[in-house]
Amino acid sequence: GAVVSQHPSWVICKSGTSVKIECRSLDFQATTMFWYRQFPKQSLMLMATSNEGSKATYEQGVEKDKFLINHASLTLSTLTVTSAHPEDSSFYICSAPKRWEQYFGPGTRLTVT
Amino acid sequence: AQTVTQSQPEMSVQEAETVTLSCTYDTSESNYYLFWYKQPPSRQMILVIRQEAYKQQNATENRFSVNFQKAAKSFSLKISDSQLGDTAMYFCALYSGGGADGLTFGKGTHLIIQP
Repeated sequence: GAVVSQHPSWVICKSGTSVKIECRSLDFQATTMFWYRQFPKQSLMLMATSNEGSKATYEQGVEKDKFLINHASLTLSTLTVTSAHPEDSSFYICSAPKRWEQYFGPGTRLTVT
Repeated sequence: AQTVTQSQPEMSVQEAETVTLSCTYDTSESNYYLFWYKQPPSRQMILVIRQEAYKQQNATENRFSVNFQKAAKSFSLKISDSQLGDTAMYFCALYSGGGADGLTFGKGTHLIIQP
């Protein structure tokens, strides 16, 4: 199989602070990983594509300076939400492809107070 | 741009009944994959079934089957003998990249199986 983990599973931070979310592929390598955001009762929206060894590519409307992505290795991508505000509160999910199939992490719930 | 449309926000059926969830899509790519994902309250995304666009035969996984109509760009999911554990959000998704693109999701259908 293929397993993707995320850490933390739930984080609460104060407005104005930054928070980092990790996404790891545990038993396979991924040169590309994807970050999605899911608001309550809504679907998953692709935010950005994380590329190992190069810059991330962001979907239209996603602020690259606010959502910093670093693909440090073939098994780790991090999403840092900088200067978080309450409207950034959401469920963040990462995925990594293996061939044509996407393997999803369990998600991270971010609450900004 | 590619799109995925699910027109049923919520459906409710009795246990053991058969239910069909609808999905239409649009893409200009000739090679693509379609998926149905289940998202239970835990919010972990679970792959239910996949369909390669180049395959004419409809995919089947135990109680789950699809009706793939390529010309109509339709991809419906049929759940037979529904069970209480099938209660969840179901998302239709489209993938047409070569590993470099993420999935495009529909808005989802909340399926409720009543005892």
